[in-house]
This record gives sequence, C-alpha cells and structure tokens, in this order.
Amino acid sequence: DGGITQSPKYLFRKEGQNVTLSCEQNLNHDAMYWYRQDPGQGLRLIYYSQIVNDFQKGDIAEGYSVSREKKESFPLTVTSAQKNPTAFYLCASSMGRRLNWNSPLHFGNGTRLTVT
Amino acid sequence: SQQGEEDPQALSIQEGENATMNCSYKTSINNLQWYRQNSGRGLVHLILIRSNEREKHSGRLRVTLDTSKKSSSLLITASRAADTASYFCATVNQGGKLIFGQGTELSVKP
Repeated sequence: DGGITQSPKYLFRKEGQNVTLSCEQNLNHDAMYWYRQDPGQGLRLIYYSQIVNDFQKGDIAEGYSVSREKKESFPLTVTSAQKNPTAFYLCASSMGRRLNWNSPLHFGNGTRLTVT
Repeated sequence: SQQGEEDPQALSIQEGENATMNCSYKTSINNLQWYRQNSGRGLVHLILIRSNEREKHSGRLRVTLDTSKKSSSLLITASRAADTASYFCATVNQGGKLIFGQGTELSVKP
C-alpha cells in the first residue's frame, strides 16, 4: 500500500536539543510539505519542497530546517532556536512537479513532539 | 495569515442527523478543499471543488461553493458515530500557499 510514514509517533526531548522528524513516502510524489498543528490554530506551513534538492520556507520556518536528498524522504529538524517546539507535526505530499495546489495533499499520521 | 475560517468551531449532533459546516475565505481562489482529521491522526482529503463549480457530491458528502460570498459549506447527511472528527477547509492564500482554517470539531452521538 502506498502512503506516508512519519516516525516516531511520539518524541520527547530536552530543551536545547535538536531533533529530527522522519517523513518517507512511496507514492512517487514530487512535492512534500511540513505543517505544524497547535490546538485551536489549525495547520501552519513550515517548509515545502517541489523537487529533490530544492525547498522553500513556509509561513513559520524560523527554528526549523529541512533537506530533500531523495524523492521519498523529507526530514524536518527542529532546532534549539525554535522557541516553542512542542506541537503535532504533519508531513504531506502531492502529485505534480509544479506547485499548483490543485492536487489533494496526502498526510502522514503525524509526530507529537514534546520538549521540556 | 488565515485564509479559510470554519464555522461553527464545534458541532454536536445525534446519529442520523445532518451536519453542516461552513467555510469563509478572503481572497479569490482556484479551488477549495475539505479535509477530515480523526483525533491524533493525519488529515484525509474529502473533496476538492474548483472555482467554476457550484456543487459537488461524494457519497454522503455535499459541498457547495459561492464565490460571490467567498464561502463554502460541507454537508454530511445521515451522520454516523464514525463521522466524529475535525473538518478543515483549505484554500490558497495571496502568498500562493495552501492554508488551512482552524477546523470544525464534529461530535456525532450514537
């Protein structure tokens, strides 16, 4: 079955530590995205990538970094510079090399990060 | 920058009743999408309606779009307990990115 796998489901870190969230897809999709979800605030776009070795900042990129070395993988690093990292992180992908937003997004089941 | 806003924020109904959720947006759109999210899970795409369409159906779901009022509604007919979830609309904002509203939390009681 094709889909998006996010791991781990739950992640706990101490303040000041960087942490990397994994996202892998076998849908052969070109575009991939990272969203952050906080209670009562819906989803906010962190980074997105239309093609391998290329990515763009979303609305809340500060304190985050990504890489896109392979089509299937789009890991997100939450750095110590992110002031409020505790949240639910969702990875998604969509068809099409050009960013046209006419293709539905396919989401993983998220990683809940808690930083204390 | 919020583009879509859902209304109501929360809705509680009995099984078998219809559920209607509304979405308002600010700028012109190419399409509007509805997604469902079960608690603690990822979002699942339900329907995409293009700006030149007025109504679209998928099973028990009916979506309408009124571009003159910049609003859309999602109707779930004959609701079931399994429809309990949060429902989000999504549109493209002026920055050219897909933006999600804050969602409507639907509770269907058996």
